[in-house]
Amino acid sequence: SYELTQPPSVSVSPGQTASITCSGDNLGDKYACWYQQKPGQSPVLVIHKDTKRPPGIPERFSGSNSGNTATLTISGTQAMDEADYYCQAWDSSTASYVFGTGTKVTVL
Amino acid sequence: EVQLVESGGGLVKPGGSLRLSCAASGFTFSHAWMSWVRQAPGKGLEWIGRIKSKTDSGTVDLAAPVKGRFTVSRDDSNNTLFLQMNSLTTEDTALYFCTRYGDSYVDAFDIWGRGTMVTVSS
Repeated sequence: SYELTQPPSVSVSPGQTASITCSGDNLGDKYACWYQQKPGQSPVLVIHKDTKRPPGIPERFSGSNSGNTATLTISGTQAMDEADYYCQAWDSSTASYVFGTGTKVTVL
Repeated sequence: EVQLVESGGGLVKPGGSLRLSCAASGFTFSHAWMSWVRQAPGKGLEWIGRIKSKTDSGTVDLAAPVKGRFTVSRDDSNNTLFLQMNSLTTEDTALYFCTRYGDSYVDAFDIWGRGTMVTVSS
């Protein structure tokens, strides 16, 4: 089965840049998207189709996807960005949506 | 207001069955591809099944861990999505989210419900 691997945790100081990676075989050949989930809340889509931001998502969130790695970048990280982040892609070989293992972002 | 509201969760014994519902509003439900995603306590997100719109064949796809036990269906006349869960085990204990897969411009889960909790325990 297709797997997406993320680092369990990322720490960042307020105002600095946080980068979260998502690794999978030939992930660059698929579309990657990213979700933010705060404690006790439902996930929220923050990046779709590798680089696109949905309406209402701040410009400090950006994405890229190439080779085997997709990356979510949070520039000028704020305390409110502290959350779990999940990448996700569609695996056509198994007709399955696949979520990454998740990354907890801590703003210190 | 665009909204998904899940219901039907609860406590069930191993081997039992449960049917979850998801009421949709604020968008054209009949055109939407809908999915169920679950999250075990303290764990990550796991996609478990989807149903396409009837105009796109209405096909149901299920994740390997639930194939043969769960099924997804829809009632477009009442804007409702269902998840029928049979032969439940303790590993099915999770918060179950209903979610919409956006159109080809979005290609992602763009609307989420708040979830309904399913606990499988004797």
